Amino acid sequence: EAGVAQSPRYKIIEKRQSVAFWCNPISGHATLYWYQQILGQGPKLLIQFQNNGVVDDSQLPKDRFSAERLKGVDSTLKIQPAKLEDSAVYLCASSLERRQGNTEAFFGQGTRLTVV
Amino acid sequence: DAKTTQPNSMESNEEEPVHLPCNHSTISGTDYIHWYRQLPSQGPEYVIHGLTSNVNNRMASLAIAEDRKSSTLILHRATLRDAAVYYCILRDVYGGSQGNLIFGKGTKLSVKP
Repeated sequence: EAGVAQSPRYKIIEKRQSVAFWCNPISGHATLYWYQQILGQGPKLLIQFQNNGVVDDSQLPKDRFSAERLKGVDSTLKIQPAKLEDSAVYLCASSLERRQGNTEAFFGQGTRLTVV
Repeated sequence: DAKTTQPNSMESNEEEPVHLPCNHSTISGTDYIHWYRQLPSQGPEYVIHGLTSNVNNRMASLAIAEDRKSSTLILHRATLRDAAVYYCILRDVYGGSQGNLIFGKGTKLSVKP
């Protein structure tokens, strides 16, 4: 079974530039998550989708971050404009069912963003 | 905020058992206890989860206290590949924001040859 695919693996941009990350979840997984992981910290949830609808985006800095999940499959996370403190690994995860705690989530390898 | 408490770090010797503790004194009756681990430069990886009874799988065992206020992840024979940060997370069975995977700082496990 193919895992969660993310691209690119690495990205370096200058502050105030824009950047986009792409995620392809495991086939059939209704729930998709985006996390931000700053070096030395645990992953922080940014947004959760159920199919193509947003369930929780309370931690997403909406002035500069946006995310979409067209057709309930692939998802993109965008930052515009980027700040130095956005340097982090951005992780995508998916799971079969949101409403049950009795399921596991599968994570991609992440995109390491460096803002200079 | 994470609802679990874990030691910041632990050390183990290769091929010996490892017991990773987690306290979750405010656990609700509908919270599952999940464990994930994160190897260096990798995304988190599911290890095991349970509700009330002890659980075993090919990776580890999960021992849950009778009052469910604490749990222990058991690696039966640690290998160098088990060196990672281990996260204990509560996940509500009914979803909502309590169903999200909210990561704390975890326990960094070092394994010595």
